Amino acid sequence: NAGVTQTPKFQVLKTGQSMTLQCAQDMNHEYMSWYRQDPGMGLRLIHYSVGAGITDQGEVPNGYNVSRSTTEDFPLRLLSAAPSQTSVYFCASSYTQGASEQYFGPGTRLTVT
Amino acid sequence: GNSVTQMEGPVTLSEEAFLTINCTYTATGYPSLFWYVQYPGEGLQLLLKATKADDKGSNKGFEATYRKETTSFHLEKGSVQVSDSAVYFCALYGGATNKLIFGTGTLLAVQP
Repeated sequence: NAGVTQTPKFQVLKTGQSMTLQCAQDMNHEYMSWYRQDPGMGLRLIHYSVGAGITDQGEVPNGYNVSRSTTEDFPLRLLSAAPSQTSVYFCASSYTQGASEQYFGPGTRLTVT
Repeated sequence: GNSVTQMEGPVTLSEEAFLTINCTYTATGYPSLFWYVQYPGEGLQLLLKATKADDKGSNKGFEATYRKETTSFHLEKGSVQVSDSAVYFCALYGGATNKLIFGTGTLLAVQP
């Protein structure tokens, strides 16, 4: 199993550009989520999905969109990048939304200039 | 709402020293508690967890006991190694929300 994969590993955008961060998992997990990691703030939940076709907002959803057309994939879209979105982004998955172990991808380091 | 508070880092120790990283939480109900570890350049991995009061989670020589009376879940290891150098996150699931809430993380640096 590849586990949770994310692409790209690094990305530099100019303010106003859009892009999609890819996330895929091959463990047949129902629950997937996106976090951003910023110094001194830990991980904050952006969006999550409890299954194909179902998404919901987390703690910091503004400026981001998600969709979940398949169990495997959960892309994160930045509609119009801003410097405040400079961060490291992690995708995670787990069997359920509950207290089961979450499996994290290796992260995408995004810089917006 | 739910929250997790961790001790500030960085924590710098010599090899074979005793480690404690403090974690306290605020939550309604009976949350599950976790410690995740992030090695340099990698994503987070589950280190251990406890799902009810007085449970002790353990893994790779690390331990943490779920103390409801003090709302704490401190991480301990008796003898750290250089390979334990990483960022450690305390996290909580349950209570009033159905989301995993992370603390800010504590950087541990172990010197030979």
